[in-house]
Amino acid sequence: GENVEQHPSTLSVQEGDSAVIKCTYSDSASNYFPWYKQELGKGPQLIIDIRSNVGEKKDQRIAVTLNKTAKHFSLHITETQPEDSAVYFCAASEANAGKSTFGDGTTLTVKP
Amino acid sequence: DAGVIQSPRHEVTEMGQEVTLRCKPISGHNSLFWYRQTMMRGLELLIYFNNNVPIDDSGMPEDRFSAKMPNASFSTLKIQPSEPRDSAVYFCASSTSGSKEYFGPGTRLTVT
Repeated sequence: GENVEQHPSTLSVQEGDSAVIKCTYSDSASNYFPWYKQELGKGPQLIIDIRSNVGEKKDQRIAVTLNKTAKHFSLHITETQPEDSAVYFCAASEANAGKSTFGDGTTLTVKP
Repeated sequence: DAGVIQSPRHEVTEMGQEVTLRCKPISGHNSLFWYRQTMMRGLELLIYFNNNVPIDDSGMPEDRFSAKMPNASFSTLKIQPSEPRDSAVYFCASSTSGSKEYFGPGTRLTVT
């Protein structure tokens, strides 16, 4: 089955700096890679996703890059703000296969 | 859309008691997932359904756990008998197959 590894487990940055979270996956059949943000006391919420037919996707301050050859994908947050502080999860799945495999999460702290 | 609805939001029970968690997925979604989240083990997929049929229950920890989906708009996760180590936040999520998952607010279960 699919195995997703996520690094780092914790990340602390100064407000305004950039943050990068990296994930690797094992199953070459995976072609859908969502990223979720979980705030305290809430369920994970999708913030951005990418499919294997593109290498990069951007939405305002967040972007995701995908390298299918190397089987890794990354989340980039620029100009971080205190409200970006949360736990971030990457995931991988084969579209139409049903379930996603999640990474272990990264706790991001943005210091004002 | 009201999103994924879970009840109760909090449950405190004594060891040995039966616990039933409930979930109403987003209308039109054909996949439903039950997750458990703890500090020690992170986010674990317990079981998922597609078109009301259980597809993968390999994450269900023991026979004490059971899940049903009698129709497209309702699912239950039951623990009988409950144990203190079952204390966790249980999330329900729904999706259309192979796409992003929408998580509910979770049920925080405490077994004393």
